[in-house]
Amino acid sequence: EVQLVESGGDFVQSGGSLRLSCAASGFTFDTYAMNWVRQAPGKGLEWVSYISSSSSTIYIADSVKGRFTISRDNAKNSLYLQMNSLRDEDTAVYYCARTPNEYQLPRFDYWGQGTLVTVSS
Amino acid sequence: SYELTQPLSVSVALGQTARITCGGYEIVTRNVHWYQQKPGQAPVLVIYRDSNRPSGIPERFSGSNSGNTATLIISRVQAGDEADFYCQVWDSNTAVFGGGTKLTVL
Repeated sequence: EVQLVESGGDFVQSGGSLRLSCAASGFTFDTYAMNWVRQAPGKGLEWVSYISSSSSTIYIADSVKGRFTISRDNAKNSLYLQMNSLRDEDTAVYYCARTPNEYQLPRFDYWGQGTLVTVSS
Repeated sequence: SYELTQPLSVSVALGQTARITCGGYEIVTRNVHWYQQKPGQAPVLVIYRDSNRPSGIPERFSGSNSGNTATLIISRVQAGDEADFYCQVWDSNTAVFGGGTKLTVL
């Protein structure tokens, strides 16, 4: 069974940093691209970042470019999101999501349950 | 940047057919994916590449894509189908989501 478990969400002051983790199990992690998608309270879905299976390709949303960094450790079956210079508008539930086929344009076939990041000044 | 437009809400009577639209410029040239999100839960992929159902998704869920509009169709709607639905495409190295549609079952 595919499982994605996020952790690291917390309350942080504006300008602070946080590192999110996503532990993957139930599939061959190093053959799948992964993503972070967020959802502000009461709002819709917003894609944040994509990383290919080998980390050779990374895409990131303009809204977080220069502040957030996606990475992965295939030996640990883990995905990460380093978030710096956090702003109030980064407050959201952050989901990690798997892309099922790296050779097709990305979609998201499995999602974790999310971890809440709250940024306040 | 590419934009996807969804109605804020759609209401349908129990047992009838719901149609949720997703508008975008020449969206027929894109692969459109659809997600269902129930309150307090993570999204679930219900349709991929316009009209394909992942395993475990009921046949009542189908999709189409033509011109500037993609459509998610839910037949024989059940109370348990009430949820927010999002369409998604990939554009210029970015995933784009529609704003979401709240489906209410009457």
